[in-house]
Amino acid sequence: RKEVEQDPGPFNVPEGATVAFNCTYSNSASQSFFWYRQDCRKEPKLLMSVYSSGNEDGRFTAQLNRASQYISLLIRDSKLSDSATYLCVVTPLSGGYNKLIFGAGTRLAVHP
Amino acid sequence: GAGVSQSPSNKVTEKGKDVELRCDPISGHTALYWYRQSLGQGLEFLIYFQGNSAPDKSGLPSDRFSAERTGGSVSTLTIQRTQQEDSAVYLCASSVQFDTEAFFGQGTRLTVV
Repeated sequence: RKEVEQDPGPFNVPEGATVAFNCTYSNSASQSFFWYRQDCRKEPKLLMSVYSSGNEDGRFTAQLNRASQYISLLIRDSKLSDSATYLCVVTPLSGGYNKLIFGAGTRLAVHP
Repeated sequence: GAGVSQSPSNKVTEKGKDVELRCDPISGHTALYWYRQSLGQGLEFLIYFQGNSAPDKSGLPSDRFSAERTGGSVSTLTIQRTQQEDSAVYLCASSVQFDTEAFFGQGTRLTVV
C-alpha cells in the first residue's frame, strides 16, 4: 500500500464551483500534514498546513481525520487560476525522524 | 534572501556517464530533501538529510545513486553509470525542520540519451 494515496483526477469544474479532494495515508505515526500546489512544469509550493481542528484560508478549507487517516481539501468559488495539481503531504516517522512524503497529486482544471 | 538553488538547471548526458546534481538550501535550514519527478508523475522521495546525516536513504532507487551533504549546507546527488530510466526532474527542498514549510528549488532536468 502506498504511504499516501490521492485520486489523480483530473477534476474538470466550471468557475465558481466547489470541489473537494481527498487523501489517505498509511502511517498512523504521521505528525504533520500539508497541501502543496504544483503548477505545470513548476516546483511545488505550500498551499496550507492541515491542523487537527481543521483550518480555513479564504476559499480553501483543510480537514484532518486521524482516526480514519484521511485529509481533505475543499475549494469554494473556483477560479481559473486554481487550475493546478494539488499534492497531499504527510510526515511518517522513519528512523527516529519524520520525512515529507508526497502523494501523486490530484489535477484540477477550472474552465470558464 | 535567496531561495533554494539547484544546478545545473538542465543536463543532457550520455548513457553510462556519471552526473552530479547540486543543491544550495536556504541558509539555516537543517532539513534537506531530494525528490525525483518523471513527466506527469508525482514526487518520488529519494533521500532526506537532517544536518549532515542522512537518517533515511530508503528512496534511493539503486546503488548507482548516492548523496552527501557537507557543512550542513550544500548537498550533491550523484548518479553513476546513468541509464535512460534516470531521465526526470530532480527536485531539492529544504526546511527549518520537518514539520515546517519546505521550499523547493526549480529542479534539474536530467535527460539521458
